[in-house]
Amino acid sequence: GNSVTQMEGPVTLSEEAFLTINCTYTATGYPSLFWYVQYPGEGLQLLLKATKADDKGSNKGFEATYRKETTSFHLEKGSVQVSDSAVYFCALSSNDYKLSFGAGTTVTVRA
Amino acid sequence: SAVISQKPSRDICQRGTSLTIQCQVDSQVTMMFWYRQQPGQSLTLIATANQGSEATYESGFVIDKFPISRPNLTFSTLTVSNMSPEDSSIYLCSVGPHGTGKDEQYFGPGTRLTVT
Repeated sequence: GNSVTQMEGPVTLSEEAFLTINCTYTATGYPSLFWYVQYPGEGLQLLLKATKADDKGSNKGFEATYRKETTSFHLEKGSVQVSDSAVYFCALSSNDYKLSFGAGTTVTVRA
Repeated sequence: SAVISQKPSRDICQRGTSLTIQCQVDSQVTMMFWYRQQPGQSLTLIATANQGSEATYESGFVIDKFPISRPNLTFSTLTVSNMSPEDSSIYLCSVGPHGTGKDEQYFGPGTRLTVT
């Protein structure tokens, strides 16, 4: 079956630091890959996605590249802000549109 | 993206009772899903709500405990039956595919349930 393994947190960074959250997956076929973000007290929001190998998803300064050879979809941001403090979830979906989520990584950015 | 609302936003319930959660979307969508997020945990898919037919449940979830209705393409309900403290979670509905993002899912704000 499908599964997502995500770097465990929590992660604490200073403002303007570089952020990487590792995500690897196991899936049959060719899944679509997503990063969702959950800000404190808010619902789950789609941050970015990639639907095929070598696609790069980007949004709000975050990027992730679909690497089929390493079955990975690592999230990166070059310079984080306090407002980026949130829980980040890596997820995948196959042909049936069901989402499988990673465990989530809590990121705290200090001023 | 779709605008999704859920009612109630939160509730505190006594064990042994049932709670029905509503999910309303501002446009017709093909698929609706219900997820559970236990405290400090990730999201787990409960079931796919099928319009006009019985929901499709994931392993570990059964209809008697989580009955689901989907009378049309914009509305669904999830009931948490005979609740116990272990049912304390955030329950979220999602919809997809929608618009140009054929495989994207969008989530409602969630219903925070506490069972005492």
